[in-house]
Amino acid sequence: QQQVKQSPQSLIVQKGGISIINCAYENTAFDYFPWYQQFPGKGPALLIAIRPDVSEKKEGRFTISFNKSAKQFSLHIMDSQPGDSATYFCAASIKGYSTLTFGKGTMLLVSP
Amino acid sequence: NAGVTQTPKFQVLKTGQSMTLQCAQDMNHNSMYWYRQDPGMGLRLIYYSASEGTTDKGEVPNGYNVSRLNKREFSLRLESAAPSQTSVYFCASSEQGRRYEQYFGPGTRLTVT
Repeated sequence: QQQVKQSPQSLIVQKGGISIINCAYENTAFDYFPWYQQFPGKGPALLIAIRPDVSEKKEGRFTISFNKSAKQFSLHIMDSQPGDSATYFCAASIKGYSTLTFGKGTMLLVSP
Repeated sequence: NAGVTQTPKFQVLKTGQSMTLQCAQDMNHNSMYWYRQDPGMGLRLIYYSASEGTTDKGEVPNGYNVSRLNKREFSLRLESAAPSQTSVYFCASSEQGRRYEQYFGPGTRLTVT
């Protein structure tokens, strides 16, 4: 049973545009929501993470927005660049457990 | 620091053959994980080891076994490979207190014919 639903599966954005990837969850025990970035042929790497007591977190061009009541969170990539082309995974963790639950991923292509 | 290393990078097996995927980390992390990645399926947890001396099943453990050899090393064994195990396998590790931050290795691309 997938506990973190991610959309869209793929996304094409023009250079300079805004890329938006959405995730939704049901389990209210989740207490940390990281995003991972994976380039072709590489392992995923942590990009940015947010706790549910914060509504927004920004790091450079990357912003996580969190809506606790709707149980949704999203990644916004401002001024998207071709170098941002990668697969992005949202994830969630539960306090006291060492595992992450990952979404199925979004393949982002930023066209020049 | 090398981070998380995996061997081999590529492997082709025939159905029924066995092999062990090796993983090592030099970050003194307590927890280690094995994932498989298939198109459209995301990252699925096979087994994990929350700390040295413990291992637990993840979402898709059937057909696999693991060994936490010491704090640094965590191996994944396929006893009798099947074509359904064709995948890219990733090892990861994390430290206690930062469980949301997992460090991934470069992956092993396994093909079973």
